[in-house]
Amino acid sequence: DAMVIQNPRYQVTQFGKPVTLSCSQTLNHNVMYWYQQKSSQAPKLLFHYYDKDFNNEADTPDNFQSRRPNTSFCFLDIRSPGLGDAAMYLCATSELAFHEQFFGPGTRLTVL
Amino acid sequence: AQSVAQPEDQVNVAEGNPLTVKCTYSVSGNPYLFWYVQYPNRGLQFLLKYITGDNLVKGSYGFEAEFNKSQTSFHLKKPSALVSDSALYFCAVRDAPSGGGGSQGNLIFGKGTKLSVKP
Repeated sequence: DAMVIQNPRYQVTQFGKPVTLSCSQTLNHNVMYWYQQKSSQAPKLLFHYYDKDFNNEADTPDNFQSRRPNTSFCFLDIRSPGLGDAAMYLCATSELAFHEQFFGPGTRLTVL
Repeated sequence: AQSVAQPEDQVNVAEGNPLTVKCTYSVSGNPYLFWYVQYPNRGLQFLLKYITGDNLVKGSYGFEAEFNKSQTSFHLKKPSALVSDSALYFCAVRDAPSGGGGSQGNLIFGKGTKLSVKP
C-alpha cells in the first residue's frame, strides 16, 4: 500500500544533542510537509517542500532545518534540541492536483 | 486571513446516538475544507473534504459533513456513533496559494475537538 513512513517512531535525545528525523513516501507526491504537534494541540507547520523548492514558515526557529534529497525522502534536523522541542513531529505529503494531505504516524521526540 | 474555529473542546455522545462536531471558517475566496481524525500517538487520518459540488460530503468510516456557505460552517456528522470513534478531530481550511514557486496553499487547522463516545 502507498504510504508515508516515519522513522523512528520514538526518539530520545539529550538537551543540545543534534537529532534527525526521517520521512519517506511511496505516494510519489510533489509536496512534503513537516509539522510539530504538542499535547493534543493543532499541528503547527514548520516548513514544506514543493518538489525541491523549500518553503519555511516565518516563525519556524532557525534550530530546525530540513533536507529533501529526492522525491521520496525528507529529513528534519534539529540542531540543538531544547526542552521545548519535545513534541510529536508529523510528516505529510500531498499531490498538487489533489488537496488532502496524507500523514505519517509521527515521531515522538523526548528531550532529556 | 483564513481561519477555522472549532468551538467545542470536547463532545460527549452515547454509543448509537448521532454525533456532530462543529467547525466554522473564514476565507476570502472559495473554501477548501477538510476533516481529519487523530487517534492517540498516531498521525492524522483524512476523513473527507469539500472542494465544490454537493453540500453534503460523505467520507470514511460513515462520517459526513455539510457545507453551509451562508453560515460559513462545515460540521462533521455521523448518524450512529461507535465507541471506536473516540478520538481527536481536526477541521482544516486550505490557505490561499502563495504567489510564485508553484506551491499549493497550506492547511490551517482548528484547535481540535475531542470526541468521547461512551457505551
